[in-house]
Amino acid sequence: AQRVTQPEKLLSVFKGAPVELKCNYSYSGSPELFWYVQYSRQRLQLLLRHISRESIKGFTADLNKGETSFHLKKPFAQEEDSAMYYCARTSNTGNQFYFGTGTSLTVIP
Amino acid sequence: DAGVTQSPTHLIKTRGQQVTLRCSPKSGHDTVSWYQQALGQGPQFIFQYYEEEERQRGNFPDRFSGHQFPNYSSELNVNALLLGDSALYLCASSLGTDFFSGANVLTFGAGSRLTVL
Repeated sequence: AQRVTQPEKLLSVFKGAPVELKCNYSYSGSPELFWYVQYSRQRLQLLLRHISRESIKGFTADLNKGETSFHLKKPFAQEEDSAMYYCARTSNTGNQFYFGTGTSLTVIP
Repeated sequence: DAGVTQSPTHLIKTRGQQVTLRCSPKSGHDTVSWYQQALGQGPQFIFQYYEEEERQRGNFPDRFSGHQFPNYSSELNVNALLLGDSALYLCASSLGTDFFSGANVLTFGAGSRLTVL
């Protein structure tokens, strides 16, 4: 089965502290990995994707194929980072996304 | 560009009834996917429409059906509603040719929240 696991439902960090949101995926083929974010009262939107190897809003995510992980990291959390974060992978056909259950991040001022 | 638009935003139905949800994709997108998001869960794939045909289907019963129109808009129909169908239904659009390039990025609508009593 193609699955995505986000072990933390809730995560709280202080402003300025490093933050890491964990994501593990089931190994099957060569999926594309993504992080989506949902800010309060906004719709789900793309944060970053593995293939772009980019940094968005200070966030980065490293794909570790050995550990089948795609953890999201930011060295210094900001209050505006408080949101719901979903890790997602594509199916082997590429046209279906599997989402994790999400991690709610709260950055404490 | 209004992005992905969905209607209605909220609706209440009773068990056994039928419901139709509608979605207009982002301008330039030709593919529509539907997801069900239950409370406290991530979105779950229902099906995807491309070129007016169901391209792929997730693990949902036949009570869930859909349609895509020539203008790329789409409908999701659910028959014989059950209490467990209560959820946020998300529509996401994308560009069909991006499937294998890794550029397959979903643009989501705000969702239709269905409550079944």
